[in-house]
Amino acid sequence: DSGVTQTPKHLITATGQRVTLRCSPRSGDLSVYWYQQSLDQGLQFLIQYYNGEERAKGNILERFSAQQFPDLHSELNLSSLELGDSALYFCASSSPTGGWDTQYFGPGTRLTVL
Amino acid sequence: GESVGLHLPTLSVQEGDNSIINCAYSNSASDYFIWYKQESGKGPQFIIDIRSNMDKRQGQRVTVLLNKTVKHLSLQIAATQPGDSAVYFCAENKEDSSYKLIFGSGTRLLVRP
Repeated sequence: DSGVTQTPKHLITATGQRVTLRCSPRSGDLSVYWYQQSLDQGLQFLIQYYNGEERAKGNILERFSAQQFPDLHSELNLSSLELGDSALYFCASSSPTGGWDTQYFGPGTRLTVL
Repeated sequence: GESVGLHLPTLSVQEGDNSIINCAYSNSASDYFIWYKQESGKGPQFIIDIRSNMDKRQGQRVTVLLNKTVKHLSLQIAATQPGDSAVYFCAENKEDSSYKLIFGSGTRLLVRP
C-alpha cells in the first residue's frame, strides 16, 4: 500500500458525460500529480499541483481540469467524455523536499466510457 | 488485476536467471532517468534512477546502464524472482526545465518457475 488513495476504483459512464476522480495524497506530501495510462499511448503526465497551486502541466486536454484543495486532496474533472478517454487514471504524491524517488502512485481509477 | 498494454513486448526468463530490459529514450537533452515497475492492478513503483553524469548505477539486485551516445537505457535484474514479474518502463526528464516525466511504452517481464 503506497498510502495514496484514489476513488472510485472503477467508473463506467457514457460519452458526453462528466466525472470527477478523487485522490488523497500520503500524509505530509504537498505535491499531487495526475497521470493517464491508456493502451495506445502508455503513461502520460497530465498535471501537477503543489500545496494548492498548479505547478506543471503536461498533455492535459482542455476538457479536463484539476484542483487541489486546502486539505491537499485533489480532484480531476473530466468532461464531455469521449470513447478515447477510457483509461487508467493515476494519482501520485511526493514529499515537499524529496525527488522523484519519493513519488508514490495510488492504485488508479479505471474509467470506461461507453 | 487490470492489464495495461496488452501488446507490450514480452521478456520471458527462467527464475534465477538475469534479466535485461531495454529502453530507447527520445530527448538527447534529457538528463535524468527513472525505471518503474508496474504490477498488475497497481500503480507504477520507482525502482532506480540515474543522472546523465553517470553511466551506471546499482541498487539492490538491479543495475541501470545509460548510454547517452545512442540514447539507450537498460535495467538489469539479477537472479530474477517470480515477484519480479511485472511491466517495466523507463522515464526521462530534463530537470532544469519542468517537473514532467516522459514515459516509455514498457516491457512485460514474465518469470518462469
